[in-house]
Amino acid sequence: KQEVTQIPAALSVPEGENLVLNCSFTDSAIYNLQWFRQDPGKGLTSLLLIQSSQREQTSGRLNASLDKSSGRSTLYIAASQPGDSATYLCAVRGGGNQFYFGTGTSLTVIP
Amino acid sequence: EAGVAQSPRYKIIEKRQSVAFWCNPISGHATLYWYQQILGQGPKLLIQFQNNGVVDDSQLPKDRFSAERLKGVDSTLKIQPAKLEDSAVYLCASSREADTQYFGPGTRLTVL
Repeated sequence: KQEVTQIPAALSVPEGENLVLNCSFTDSAIYNLQWFRQDPGKGLTSLLLIQSSQREQTSGRLNASLDKSSGRSTLYIAASQPGDSATYLCAVRGGGNQFYFGTGTSLTVIP
Repeated sequence: EAGVAQSPRYKIIEKRQSVAFWCNPISGHATLYWYQQILGQGPKLLIQFQNNGVVDDSQLPKDRFSAERLKGVDSTLKIQPAKLEDSAVYLCASSREADTQYFGPGTRLTVL
């Protein structure tokens, strides 16, 4: 069974710093990987989707990379802002069309 | 375009009672998902529909949970009877195919 791990569980950084969130998965046979943002009491917002054939995706200050062979993905956030404070989740879509989520990284950006 | 709608937003019930949640996906999205998110954990897929057919319900506790998607649009998720460990946020999501998922705000269930 696919297991998805996110480290660290929580992260606190001063405003303006660049930061990296990590996601690892045990089964490299994936179709895609998606990064989400979840604000307290709200649903998930999709940030970036990387297909298994891709190496990275970029959207604004966000850049996500995928190394399928090593079972890793990173989400890079440039010039962090207080509004980036949220929980960030990664999810992989496996071969059986199943989706597996990590437990998330809670990010706090301090003004 | 309108997002995924869910109701109710909050529900408090006593154990052994029944409860139902409703989801209206984004128009044109063939795939609909129900997730359970327990506090401090990532969402766990309960059931996935493609139009009105079930694609995956391997993690749905079928002795107490049921779900349907009539006419391939709206969906309801029911728990009967509820247990204390069912306290969680129930998230509905939809997608055109099995790619980018769009989530609703969720229903927070508390079982006393």
